[in-house]
Amino acid sequence: GQSLEQPSEVTAVEGAIVQINCTYQTSGFYGLSWYQQHDGGAPTFLSYNALDGLEETGRFSSFLSRSDSYGYLLLQELQMKDSASYFCAVRDNNFNKFYFGSGTKLNVKP
Amino acid sequence: KAGVTQTPRYLIKTRGQQVTLSCSPISGHRSVSWYQQTPGQGLQFLFEYFSETQRNKGNFPGRFSGRQFSNSRSEMNVSTLELGDSALYLCASSFRDRNTEAFFGQGTRLTVV
Repeated sequence: GQSLEQPSEVTAVEGAIVQINCTYQTSGFYGLSWYQQHDGGAPTFLSYNALDGLEETGRFSSFLSRSDSYGYLLLQELQMKDSASYFCAVRDNNFNKFYFGSGTKLNVKP
Repeated sequence: KAGVTQTPRYLIKTRGQQVTLSCSPISGHRSVSWYQQTPGQGLQFLFEYFSETQRNKGNFPGRFSGRQFSNSRSEMNVSTLELGDSALYLCASSFRDRNTEAFFGQGTRLTVV
């Protein structure tokens, strides 16, 4: 099976940069995805890394290093609306199942 | 285009009853996955359907079942409800069965009393 570990909670101030890490134990997967979920809302897709390296989408960037079994989501110029839970996820290439990390609650303070 | 629609949004059932939840995917999407979300366990994969066939199943008891219709709409059923089944049940759709980008519905909040 798969195991994805994330910090449970992170706090940062408006305008700052925050990095949310995701370490995993997996026998093989297609790529690492990130989702955002506001309280009471549905998870929404943020980014996907199929290959090692950095993917940038506006204020959000995501990084993957398969050799280190590690990825992260980088949020720049934090805004209050970024307060939400962030999940990393993989689809394994043995059983084609989706696995989600336990989620990181990001608190953005003024 | 319309997003993923789940009905009902909220449901209260008593132990021992059964429940059926519905999910209408984005038009054109043929893959539908179901997840259980609880505060303690996070997002847990239940099963995935593609073109009316169950492609994968998570580690849940046989009380949890599902199906997909020819129009890609999906239902999941939980029989003999237990208190521990109280959770947010999320449905996600994607165009292909190996897509990594999934579009989630708002979920059905099930409370078992």
